[in-house]
Amino acid sequence: GESVGLHLPTLSVQEGDNSIINCAYSNSASDYFIWYKQESGKGPQFIIDIRSNMDKRQGQRVTVLLNKTVKHLSLQIAATQPGDSAVYFCAENEGGGADGLTFGKGTHLIIQP
Amino acid sequence: DTEVTQTPKHLVMGMTNKKSLKCEQHMGHRAMYWYKQKAKKPPELMFVYSYEKLSINESVPSRFSPECPNSSLLNLHLHALQPEDSALYLCASQVSSADTQYFGPGTRLTVL
Repeated sequence: GESVGLHLPTLSVQEGDNSIINCAYSNSASDYFIWYKQESGKGPQFIIDIRSNMDKRQGQRVTVLLNKTVKHLSLQIAATQPGDSAVYFCAENEGGGADGLTFGKGTHLIIQP
Repeated sequence: DTEVTQTPKHLVMGMTNKKSLKCEQHMGHRAMYWYKQKAKKPPELMFVYSYEKLSINESVPSRFSPECPNSSLLNLHLHALQPEDSALYLCASQVSSADTQYFGPGTRLTVL
C-alpha cells in the first residue's frame, strides 16, 4: 500500500551545524504535510506544516521543503542545539479532512557536542 | 493554548481488568483522535471522532471501545487486553479540515 517513509533512521550532527531530515511519500493525492518532534516519553510536538500548493515554508530555525515532482519532503533545522535531540516524524493528511494522519517511520536526531 | 491533556500518565493492568483512558481539550476542536504507538515506531491511527460521532475505526479489536461524551472529552475503554496491547496511547485534536493535529502527552499502558 502507499506509505510515508524516511530515508535515514538515525542522523548524528555536531552542535551548531545545520540538520536536514528527509521524507519520501508515495500518495500523490496528499495535500497537507506536517513535521513533528517527539522527545522520549512525550507526545509528538508540532513543528511546522506545509500545504501542497507551496514548496517552501519557514519557521523559527526550521524550514520545510516540498518537492511534489519527486514526492519528497525535508525538514531543515538551522544551528542545531542539544534540545533538538529527538525523533522527527513526517506525517501526511491524505484527504485534507479529519481523516487522521499517516506517519513516516521517524528519524532519530542525535546532537554531538 | 494548544493543550491536550491525557490521564492517567501510566497504567498497569491485568488481562481481566477494565480500565479507561481519558483525553480532554478546550480549544473548541471538533475532531479528536486515538493513536497507538509501539516502542521505536510511528503512531498508528485507531479511531477518529468528528463532531462527537465516530467517523473512522481502523479495524481496531473490540476490546478497545472509544467514547466521545461531548466535544471536549474523549475516552478509550479497555477490557480483556493482551500483553501485545502494551503501548503509548496518544490522543490528538484538530480544529477543522486540513489543520494540524495537536497531541497529548500520551498514556503509557502496560498489560500484564
